[in-house]
Amino acid sequence: DQQVKQNSPSLSVQEGRISILNCDYTNSMFDYFLWYKKYPAEGPTFLISISSIKDKNEDGRFTVFLNKSAKHLSLHIVPSQPGDSAVYFCAAPRDTDKLIFGTGTRLQVFP
Amino acid sequence: DARVTQTPRHKVTEMGQEVTMRCQPILGHNTVFWYRQTMMQGLELLAYFRNRAPLDDSGMPKDRFSAEMPDATLATLKIQPSEPRDSAVYFCASGFYETQYFGPGTRLLVL
Repeated sequence: DQQVKQNSPSLSVQEGRISILNCDYTNSMFDYFLWYKKYPAEGPTFLISISSIKDKNEDGRFTVFLNKSAKHLSLHIVPSQPGDSAVYFCAAPRDTDKLIFGTGTRLQVFP
Repeated sequence: DARVTQTPRHKVTEMGQEVTMRCQPILGHNTVFWYRQTMMQGLELLAYFRNRAPLDDSGMPKDRFSAEMPDATLATLKIQPSEPRDSAVYFCASGFYETQYFGPGTRLLVL
């Protein structure tokens, strides 16, 4: 039962353009969401989060939008840079400490 | 610069052999997680500990996997006997939510 879904396994974007990574969830009890970024041969690192009391959270070039009625969130990267090329995971907490991760989206930013 | 360390970084073994992966969590973190990354499932939670006590290992195949935390500085994940379908990258992480820090992973290949 994949409670957090990332339906696009990969995305290719030109440098300078906007990257939009999508994530859907099925559990309406989720009230907090996180995005992690993973480079090859490294562990994932925390990128940005959003609480369900907000519909938007911005941190520099990264903005996460939350649509609770659609159970959908998206990560926008503007402008995209080659160093953003990585795998991006969305995640939601379950129980006290556990995170449920999506399957990830591989972003490639080309010059 | 506190970080989670994992050994070995790479392991190639033959089917049926025992595999032991080790993790040193960040000092002071009382929550430790084991994840497995596969293409199909993304990041799956295998087991986690709080204050060295196992809280949830429902993600692990019980007959062949075991996870322990002999002390606060060491977590282990064992597979005995290993099978080709266990080939994946195994991550250890400590902390929680935005402060969940991942190790670099152990890439396991079972032939």
